[in-house]
Amino acid sequence: KAGVTQTPRYLIKTRGQQVTLSCSPISGHRSVSWYQQTPGQGLQFLFEYFSETQRNKGNFPGRFSGRQFSNSRSEMNVSTLELGDSALYLCASRPASSNNEQFFGPGTRLTVL
Amino acid sequence: SQQGEEDPQALSIQEGENATMNCSYKTSINNLQWYRQNSGRGLVHLILIRSNEREKHSGRLRVTLDTSKKSSSLLITASRAADTASYFCATHGNTDKLIFGTGTRLQVFP
Repeated sequence: KAGVTQTPRYLIKTRGQQVTLSCSPISGHRSVSWYQQTPGQGLQFLFEYFSETQRNKGNFPGRFSGRQFSNSRSEMNVSTLELGDSALYLCASRPASSNNEQFFGPGTRLTVL
Repeated sequence: SQQGEEDPQALSIQEGENATMNCSYKTSINNLQWYRQNSGRGLVHLILIRSNEREKHSGRLRVTLDTSKKSSSLLITASRAADTASYFCATHGNTDKLIFGTGTRLQVFP
């Protein structure tokens, strides 16, 4: 089975712009979660989608949003980018019946200038 | 913050030695998981231990869990240079979210 894929792998944006990141889960996995990783805050949960519905949400401002499509692919969007949004954004998928063991993609490295 | 703490933050050992990392968490859990991350890439799931288990083995990995102390440890035996990575514990509780610890950076010298 192909693993979780994320595009793009690297992205450079400037403050005030918006960005959309994409994640394709492992075939058959219906749950997709997003995490932000920074040196200062570590790994922080953004949100989880299951069957096109947001099932869980972390403590991030409304500038961070996401969605999931009928084929389980997911996108996350960050509007009005700030310097502090520079991070590695990780997507993870899991089968519906798992103990929450997550399968991670390689991440998208976002740099905000 | 709900985030767990791991110690040490960094660990340097020689090949063949054992590496032990500790994780403390704050809330009640269904299970605790350990992940490895190589150089800012994606995380790889290593092992999962349920709240009613005390010890689990997988190859060179041994995990213990003490729910009364809200702590876990990961032991890597006979370490190799390829084990060089960051290791994270993550707890799965009633919120159904995974909450990650701060991580331990392990360097194994040949």
